[in-house]
Amino acid sequence: QKEVEQNSGPLSVPEGAIASLNCTYSDRGSQSFFWYRQYSGKSPELIMSIYSNGDKEDGRFTAQLNKASQYVSLLIRDSQPSDSATYLCAVIYNNNDMRFGAGTRLTVKP
Amino acid sequence: DGGITQSPKYLFRKEGQNVTLSCEQNLNHDAMYWYRQDPGQGLRLIYYSQIVNDFQKGDIAEGYSVSREKKESFPLTVTSAQKNPTAFYLCASSPYRQTANYGYTFGSGTRLTVV
Repeated sequence: QKEVEQNSGPLSVPEGAIASLNCTYSDRGSQSFFWYRQYSGKSPELIMSIYSNGDKEDGRFTAQLNKASQYVSLLIRDSQPSDSATYLCAVIYNNNDMRFGAGTRLTVKP
Repeated sequence: DGGITQSPKYLFRKEGQNVTLSCEQNLNHDAMYWYRQDPGQGLRLIYYSQIVNDFQKGDIAEGYSVSREKKESFPLTVTSAQKNPTAFYLCASSPYRQTANYGYTFGSGTRLTVV
């Protein structure tokens, strides 16, 4: 079974803090990993992709990948109320099969 | 602007009725996908198509049907055999065999409710 696991939350952080979202996956052979943001009632939008071990930064977002531990995370620095959303972790299996976690709901409190 | 258009945004279905959800893309993507999302849950794959005139069942295909007569279009029919169709339906696309590099582009979704 190809699984992607996320803590469903809700995760609540104060404005300006760092939000840390975590994801584990079951297939050691996975090579591509994505984070999507989904606002309530809207469709997911791609915010980060990562393929190599280590960190990848894009503005206030940092994706971290550890293939040995089968773990991928998303850090959001200087969290804003507009970051309040559900964050979906997605993992590519067999080059084209994308599997999604159930998502972590983040609330940033002013 | 390139993108994926789903219609209608909201759809109401009576018991025993078939309904069709539209998905059209102008991104020149070969692969298209249909997902279902229930409240508080992740995305579950219904059907996918990697080329015209070919499609495969996903994890929850029972009660659904699709066609792929044109590259741009991938309509989903929710049949009366689908006993619990109330959900948010998402269509997505990606370049052929490039999902690992580009991920998916999603449409805006159709919210289906049984009345």
